[in-house]
Amino acid sequence: AQTVTQSQPEMSVQEAETVTLSCTYDTSESDYYLFWYKQPPSRQMILVIRQEAYKQQNATENRFSVNFQKAAKSFSLKISDSQLGDAAMYFCAYRSSEYTGNQFYFGTGTSLTVIP
Amino acid sequence: NAGVTQTPKFQVLKTGQSMTLQCAQDMNHNSMYWYRQDPGMGLRLIYYSASEGTTDKGEVPNGYNVSRLNKREFSLRLESAAPSQTSVYFCASSEGVVRTRSTDTQYFGPGTRLTVL
Repeated sequence: AQTVTQSQPEMSVQEAETVTLSCTYDTSESDYYLFWYKQPPSRQMILVIRQEAYKQQNATENRFSVNFQKAAKSFSLKISDSQLGDAAMYFCAYRSSEYTGNQFYFGTGTSLTVIP
Repeated sequence: NAGVTQTPKFQVLKTGQSMTLQCAQDMNHNSMYWYRQDPGMGLRLIYYSASEGTTDKGEVPNGYNVSRLNKREFSLRLESAAPSQTSVYFCASSEGVVRTRSTDTQYFGPGTRLTVL
């Protein structure tokens, strides 16, 4: 089975600064999808950004962008101009391109604190 | 458009009691999922339903049963609750259509916090 590793259990950032959350994964597949989900104190899981492995261009969504390094199997999330509302647990997730319904793998999460 | 809804939000059970967690989605998605979230372990898949009428085991199915009642609803049942089932439970849904280059993003409900004493 694929594994997803988030090596930073906790991170903090000053408001308006930039922070990068790390994610690595292990797979033998060449085609797959990667996701970052945000889980605020409300516990709802919210999709932040997604990346298709076959696309070389890094995905961006407003202040959120990724650095996808396929050869290194790395998928980091950069949050620019951090806001208080960005404080949450962030989960990296992997999905195989071969759909079988249970091919979603999550990391253990990084807790992000935003300091005013 | 409510997305994915779950009931109840909180529940406390005694060991051996049974209960059913309800999940519904209004996005016309084909696939639905049940996860549990425990501290330091991320989300783990319990059961999933790729399409109406089908269900399959995920990573941690023991102690649980599911029913895909119709396309909208997917319930999770604990027949005899145990303290090890204390967790936060999330339901999710996705389009689930098999087509080339589909990310099949999953959308999550708000979660149910279950405590088994």
